[in-house]
Amino acid sequence: QKEVEQNSGPLSVPEGAIASLNCTYSDRGSQSFFWYRQYSGKSPELIMFIYSNGDKEDGRFTAQLNKASQYVSLLIRDSQPSDSATYLCAVNSGGSNYKLTFGKGTLLTVNP
Amino acid sequence: KAGVTQTPRYLIKTRGQQVTLSCSPISGHRSVSWYQQTPGQGLQFLFEYFSETQRNKGNFPGRFSGRQFSNSRSEMNVSTLELGDSALYLCASKTTDEQFFGPGTRLTVL
Repeated sequence: QKEVEQNSGPLSVPEGAIASLNCTYSDRGSQSFFWYRQYSGKSPELIMFIYSNGDKEDGRFTAQLNKASQYVSLLIRDSQPSDSATYLCAVNSGGSNYKLTFGKGTLLTVNP
Repeated sequence: KAGVTQTPRYLIKTRGQQVTLSCSPISGHRSVSWYQQTPGQGLQFLFEYFSETQRNKGNFPGRFSGRQFSNSRSEMNVSTLELGDSALYLCASKTTDEQFFGPGTRLTVL
């Protein structure tokens, strides 16, 4: 059973701080990794994806991947109250036959 | 560009009935995936279709089925509904790297 684990939270940070969200996965053959944000009552929206070890930055967001440790993280700099949502980590273990396994998500609350 | 659309947005059914959900992907997207989201199990992959062929399947019973048409629109069918099928059903279409979700269909089974 391929698994993706996330701390369910809630993770609470003050406005302007860095929020750090973590995810581990069990399938060593996984090739691509995704972070989605889901507001309450809405569908998930893609924040960013990463394929290679190291960091990938997009605006206030940085994804970090360590395949040896089977670990992927998302950093949110200068957190805003509008970042308050559930963050879902997803791992593609199907290769070209796309099959995402999602973690259960971490609830982030950014306090003004 | 229009996003992924799903119909209906809400459904109420009773146990034993069957239901069909519809999804229209983003124009030009040929891959459509279906997911079930519940508070207890989170987001779980049901199946993926590409060019009218099921390319991948999750661990759901055979009561869950789907198909894709030549225009990439997809339908998902659940037969003999059970109470545990109450969930948000999400459809997603993808390009090479990015998958975009529709608003979902909220199914309640009474």
